[in-house]
Amino acid sequence: NAGVTQTPKFRVLKTGQSMTLLCAQDMNHEYMYWYRQDPGMGLRLIHYSVGEGTTAKGEVPDGYNVSRLKKQNFLLGLESAAPSQTSVYFCASSNPTLPSADTQYFGPGTRLTVL
Amino acid sequence: GESVGLHLPTLSVQEGDNSIINCAYSNSASDYFIWYKQESGKGPQFIIDIRSNMDKRQGQRVTVLLNKTVKHLSLQIAATQPGDSAVYFCAEKRRGSSYKLIFGSGTRLLVRP
Repeated sequence: NAGVTQTPKFRVLKTGQSMTLLCAQDMNHEYMYWYRQDPGMGLRLIHYSVGEGTTAKGEVPDGYNVSRLKKQNFLLGLESAAPSQTSVYFCASSNPTLPSADTQYFGPGTRLTVL
Repeated sequence: GESVGLHLPTLSVQEGDNSIINCAYSNSASDYFIWYKQESGKGPQFIIDIRSNMDKRQGQRVTVLLNKTVKHLSLQIAATQPGDSAVYFCAEKRRGSSYKLIFGSGTRLLVRP
């Protein structure tokens, strides 16, 4: 199993540009999450999904949109990128039916710079 | 390169020594705790977890201790190796929340050869 994968690994955008980050997991997990990680801060939840076709806002959702059209994929979109969105973005997944239901498994991250 | 941990507390240990990394949590309603390891340029990797009905849990070279009285969590790494160098952070889950983890900012562990 590849686990959780993310594309792209790196991206540089200009202010106002748009892009989509793709997360894929092959563990058949129901729940998926998008976080951002900034220096000196803990991971902050942007959006999450508890199943195909459902999404919900996390702690810092403004400026981002998400979609979960397929169970294995969770997309994070930036419609109009801002320098404040420069960060490292991590996707994670978890399976609520497992004994370790609360454990989240992370992808390798996408480093985004907005100029 | 590092985008996390520019201002993190750092623990420096000699290779072969034991390491103890600490974490304080804020909410007495938290019922599940996880330790993650994050190497430079990589995503967080699950190390070990513990539920609030336990005080101690052991894995391979790692032990997690939970002190609910003072809301303190620690990760002990035995015979620390160079490959253990990373940022370690804890996460807590509040009782009744089926998904949401609250993450600490982490501690950087440096292993001296």
